[in-house]
Amino acid sequence: NAGVMQNPRHLVRRRGQEARLRCSPVKGHSHVYWYRQLPEEGLKFMVYLQKENIIDESGMPKERFSAEFPKEGPSILRIQQVVRGDSAAYFCASSPPSRTVNTEAFFGQGTRLTVV
Amino acid sequence: DAKTTQPPSMDCAEGRAANLPCNHSTISGNEYVYWYRQIHSQGPQYIIHGLKNNETNEMASLIITEDRKSSTLILPHATLRDTAVYYCIVMNYTGKLIFGQGTTLQVKP
Repeated sequence: NAGVMQNPRHLVRRRGQEARLRCSPVKGHSHVYWYRQLPEEGLKFMVYLQKENIIDESGMPKERFSAEFPKEGPSILRIQQVVRGDSAAYFCASSPPSRTVNTEAFFGQGTRLTVV
Repeated sequence: DAKTTQPPSMDCAEGRAANLPCNHSTISGNEYVYWYRQIHSQGPQYIIHGLKNNETNEMASLIITEDRKSSTLILPHATLRDTAVYYCIVMNYTGKLIFGQGTTLQVKP
């Protein structure tokens, strides 16, 4: 998947704890997208970020979820006070700076969050 | 975002061509058709994309009808490793990929 690195691959959290998911895009890519996939369901768009900016967060739950993509370092998806319903696979995708509709996005292998 | 319609599932014999259809009747003139697939629970894998001309790469061919209201992804010689969920997505200027339910392709020996 063209170098998008997500970590950790698996994350277990108790209810009420915080979960931090990291995404390092392909080198040189400045656009990052986060998706969530609940068990046995399709991928749902969450948020689209460029360096230091949130472009589209229309798919983010209104509470407990936040995302950032700082000037330096990976993109972070943060879930506060996790609940069992947050258990899912979270995928990150990245695309180059010259983002147009004619540019493909590459996905990481995902982080599987389990809330116990 | 233009909506896409795909059959929920398809079978294909190993070594034969797999033809996966997609309807996107509300597609706009500047929207591209993208295909991704997801094997087991791995991250989605890019396959191919196009605007109006047919496209071919090392993985597949994409045939887009002249009116652009439908397209077909062709895997010329399907293998067992091609068993996956295939997503047809219409993407606009936002660059956001909106996944539908896709087609589950089962390649059988």
